[in-house]
Amino acid sequence: QVQLVQSGAEVKKPGASVKVSCKASGYSFTKYYIHWVRQAPGQGLEWMGIINPSGGSTSYAQKFQGRVAMTRDTSTTTVHMDLSSLRSEDTAVYYCARGGNPDAFDMWGQGTMVTVSS
Amino acid sequence: EIVMTQSPATLSVSPGERATLSCRASQSVSSNLAWYQQKPGQAPRLLIYGASSRATGIPARFSGSGSGTEFTLTISSLQSEDIAVYYCQQYNNWPLTFGGGTKVEIK
Repeated sequence: QVQLVQSGAEVKKPGASVKVSCKASGYSFTKYYIHWVRQAPGQGLEWMGIINPSGGSTSYAQKFQGRVAMTRDTSTTTVHMDLSSLRSEDTAVYYCARGGNPDAFDMWGQGTMVTVSS
Repeated sequence: EIVMTQSPATLSVSPGERATLSCRASQSVSSNLAWYQQKPGQAPRLLIYGASSRATGIPARFSGSGSGTEFTLTISSLQSEDIAVYYCQQYNNWPLTFGGGTKVEIK
């Protein structure tokens, strides 16, 4: 079935980097864009950026420019999100979601909890 | 950046009654507006796209309306499984933005 499966929870120290993966299955990987959205504990949803799995082009929210990188591996139908220079405010659940450019998000991953703590 | 404002923050509704949720955009987003439902510990789920089109598998008791800057999500007859936080999202302009959410609870 159509699904996005994300990598497991991470605990990182301030200043470190984290890489979250999102494996797509059940559909044509290069046909849909992948977005990343995060949600801090008890808070709302925040859009981080988008990647085109076909050509690899990306666009990031200004807030994350210089700290985030989204890549894809077409051989494994996986998208990766790297976030560097982590601080405590980056503690959140990170979601990948399938959508258009732009369009509503019709499929979401299960979420990956990233905790930043010394 | 387009700011999405949802009201009320919390809505208490009796089972079987109608629930009406509002979402306002700081500038026109045409009909490029989606609604999501999020239950505790789960990822959001798409309910409505294009302001008024139900996503696949979404019950008919959920309906969306509006265009421009004012939007409404209506649950015609609240069921216990509808207890969740509901978010609106605009996808008309970059960056994509979400409202702060409306928590729907049983009265």
